[in-house]
Amino acid sequence: GAVVSQHPSRVICKSGTSVKIECRSLDFQATTMFWYRQFPKQSLMLMATSNEGSKATYEQGVEKDKFLINHASLTLSTLTVTSAHPEDSSFYICSATGLRSPYEQYFGPGTRLTVT
Amino acid sequence: KNQVEQSPQSLIILEGKNCTLQCNYTVSPFSNLRWYKQDTGRGPVSLTIMTFSENTKSNGRYTATLDADTKQSSLHITASQLSDSASYICVVSVTSGTYKYIFGTGTRLKVLA
Repeated sequence: GAVVSQHPSRVICKSGTSVKIECRSLDFQATTMFWYRQFPKQSLMLMATSNEGSKATYEQGVEKDKFLINHASLTLSTLTVTSAHPEDSSFYICSATGLRSPYEQYFGPGTRLTVT
Repeated sequence: KNQVEQSPQSLIILEGKNCTLQCNYTVSPFSNLRWYKQDTGRGPVSLTIMTFSENTKSNGRYTATLDADTKQSSLHITASQLSDSASYICVVSVTSGTYKYIFGTGTRLKVLA
């Protein structure tokens, strides 16, 4: 089956610093990757959709200058939280779809970000 | 407006009992419906996927049903186990050029010994 990994699984950073989260599709080419944020006891909230080689499409209310998304290759997308604040502390999850089954979303294990 | 609603919001059952989770959707054009299990602190894992023409699909102790006429789906868990404690998320896919995924709010299930 298709596997999506995320790194790191947990990260703690100080307020004002930036942190990068990687999302990789390990055994398939991900034409589209999605980034979600999830607060405790809530469902996933889509932040942005990225297609390889093009700019990400951000959901309403998500600051594109704060959450930088890069999808430079068919197996890697990165989310950089810039000038992090404590309210950015959350669980960030990526997912990917491939050419063979564009309706099939494969989720990564998530990254727990804590901003102190 | 495309919406997916799940009920109940949370559920507590005893180990060995059965339970049924509900998902109602108002989505168009419908492509497919998927149930995910999400353990705390982990990413969602797919349980079943159902297209418009499918009524029932099973995956071990999990059985999903779909009524495309009433736009309702259910996930039935048989002989629950402690490891079934998780959030269950219903996701409906929409196709209008590209795929769009509409997430339900989830049902938090806790199975007690």
